[in-house]
Amino acid sequence: QKEVEQNSGPLSVPEGAIASLNCTYSDRGSQSFFWYRQYSGKSPELIMFIYSNGDKEDGRFTAQLNKASQYVSLLIRDSQPSDSATYLCAVTTGPGNNRKLIWGLGTSLAVNP
Amino acid sequence: DAMVIQNPRYQVTQFGKPVTLSCSQTLNHNVMYWYQQKSSQAPKLLFHYYDKDFNNEADTPDNFQSRRPNTSFCFLDIRSPGLGDAAMYLCATSRTLQGAVSDTQYFGPGTRLTVL
Repeated sequence: QKEVEQNSGPLSVPEGAIASLNCTYSDRGSQSFFWYRQYSGKSPELIMFIYSNGDKEDGRFTAQLNKASQYVSLLIRDSQPSDSATYLCAVTTGPGNNRKLIWGLGTSLAVNP
Repeated sequence: DAMVIQNPRYQVTQFGKPVTLSCSQTLNHNVMYWYQQKSSQAPKLLFHYYDKDFNNEADTPDNFQSRRPNTSFCFLDIRSPGLGDAAMYLCATSRTLQGAVSDTQYFGPGTRLTVL
């Protein structure tokens, strides 16, 4: 059973701090890794994707991937109250055109003003 | 703007009364997905279409069916909704790049289904 695990939280950080969200996955064959943000009652919104080991930065967001440790993380710098949401980690599994995403349960982030 | 549209945004139905949810996309993506998401749970893939090829997940109940009459539209039919089918239903799309499916999925706003 392929799995993606995240701490459910809630993770609470003060405004302006760095929020660190972590995700581990079980399928060593996973090739693509995604972070989605989901506000309560809304659909998931793509924040970042990463394919290669190392860091990928986009504005205040940095994704980090370590395939050897089967670990992917998301750092949010200068956290804002509007960042308060659930962050879903998703990784690919399966062959070719039947590849699909396996989802974690999400980490709830609360940014306190 | 190119987007994924779902209608209706909110649907109330009665126990056992069939319901159809719709999804349309202007992204011209080959692949369309239907997910079910319940409160505090991860999205659960029900099925997906790669062009006209239908791929059903093994644990998707027979009560759930889907149709894709053309590239732009996809429908989710729930033949006899039960109380346990109350959830958010999410449509997502992805495209092919050089013959391979891109893993990036773009979601519509979702349809919140209530079963009375």
